[in-house]
Amino acid sequence: GQNIDQPTEMTATEGAIVQINCTYQTSGFNGLFWYQQHAGEAPTFLSYNVLDGLEEKGRFSSFLSRSKGYSYLLLKELQMKDSASYLCAVRDRDYKLSFGAGTTVTVRA
Amino acid sequence: GAVVSQHPSWVICKSGTSVKIECRSLDFQATTMFWYRQFPKQSLMLMATSNEGSKATYEQGVEKDKFLINHASLTLSTLTVTSAHPEDSSFYICSASGGEVLAFFGQGTRLTVV
Repeated sequence: GQNIDQPTEMTATEGAIVQINCTYQTSGFNGLFWYQQHAGEAPTFLSYNVLDGLEEKGRFSSFLSRSKGYSYLLLKELQMKDSASYLCAVRDRDYKLSFGAGTTVTVRA
Repeated sequence: GAVVSQHPSWVICKSGTSVKIECRSLDFQATTMFWYRQFPKQSLMLMATSNEGSKATYEQGVEKDKFLINHASLTLSTLTVTSAHPEDSSFYICSASGGEVLAFFGQGTRLTVV
């Protein structure tokens, strides 16, 4: 099974940078995903890491270290619309995703 | 990215009735579809894994006779909540995966049982 931990909530100022950490313990790692979820909506895909290193996609970047069971999602140039829950999810070899509890990010003006 | 369409977006039903939720992959063949449930302010919990042409695999604690899953084709899976009760009110979300296609989610279905 998977054991996934991420902080419950974070607050940052518009224009700032926030880093959301995720640690996991898994049997059969097959990729790590980050999703954004606004209240009442389904999660939307942000990033995918299966090899160690940094994946950059616009204002969002995600990092993975498989040996440490660690990932982070970096949000740059924060905007008000980035206020949402961010979900870390680990996929196993059966392609099942297990989710962390989510990190609620609040962006303040 | 790949498109997964889920229908309906929301449904209200009377206690004791059944509700069917559809999940379609629109531009790829989904060999595997997953059904999740999310209660307010909680994360997504996997209910079952559905492979095309075979029986679904249910997670521990999920009643297979209550949550009927059918994956008859590579583009369609359905979840039927049978004899729904108020405690079944939740946000149900499907995701689809196929080959190199990463896991994308449908829009979700808000079920309210009254």
